Amino acid sequence: GAVVSQHPSWVICKSGTSVKIECRSLDFQATTMFWYRQFPKQSLMLMATSNEGSKATYEQGVEKDKFLINHASLTLSTLTVTSAHPEDSSFYICSAPSPSGGYEQFFGPGTRLTVL
Amino acid sequence: AQSVTQLGSHVSVSEGALVLLRCNYSSSVPPYLFWYVQYPNQGLQLLLKYTSAATLVKGINGFEAEFKKSETSFHLTKPSAHMSDAAEYFCAVSDTDKLIFGTGTRLQVFP
Repeated sequence: GAVVSQHPSWVICKSGTSVKIECRSLDFQATTMFWYRQFPKQSLMLMATSNEGSKATYEQGVEKDKFLINHASLTLSTLTVTSAHPEDSSFYICSAPSPSGGYEQFFGPGTRLTVL
Repeated sequence: AQSVTQLGSHVSVSEGALVLLRCNYSSSVPPYLFWYVQYPNQGLQLLLKYTSAATLVKGINGFEAEFKKSETSFHLTKPSAHMSDAAEYFCAVSDTDKLIFGTGTRLQVFP
């Protein structure tokens, strides 16, 4: 149980286009989901907390107009990278809190974004 | 604010040797601590977690970690390394509902 999926697993796009990444909790509901960004050989940096039915909470330094987050249902959160540029190329990972509590998070497999 | 420090960005061991990955934490409240493993181009998988119960925590794949409050440490160990253990390992501490990650330790296992 407690599986989180992401789609797509990888995407290549041209500079200036927008890319949407989906994060789904497959067998549990998640009122909160987290979006992380990971540069090569670096740790995960929390970008924002996605809240079902309300606005996302962004970490300091993250451009909310560039990284649009929508949490439309209890099993789906989306991250849209708007007007992507090569510096946005990264590995994006989402997670959802364990339905059992205890602050554990279940992670999606990640999405590799390459902006040409 | 909570934080974790992982000493050693790279650790190399021979197959069959002891694995020791270090993690020290800073927390103003009793912490929840986690070790996650990440294989290339994949998400994170939970190895084990400390939630204020037993100080010695056993996880998957033969890993265990001991919570030492006096040393503010939560080091990860495995008695005998396997080639399949080669991966990136992250220590994390909870900060309310968020997780704060360390910088990670890449484990290499040589035959």
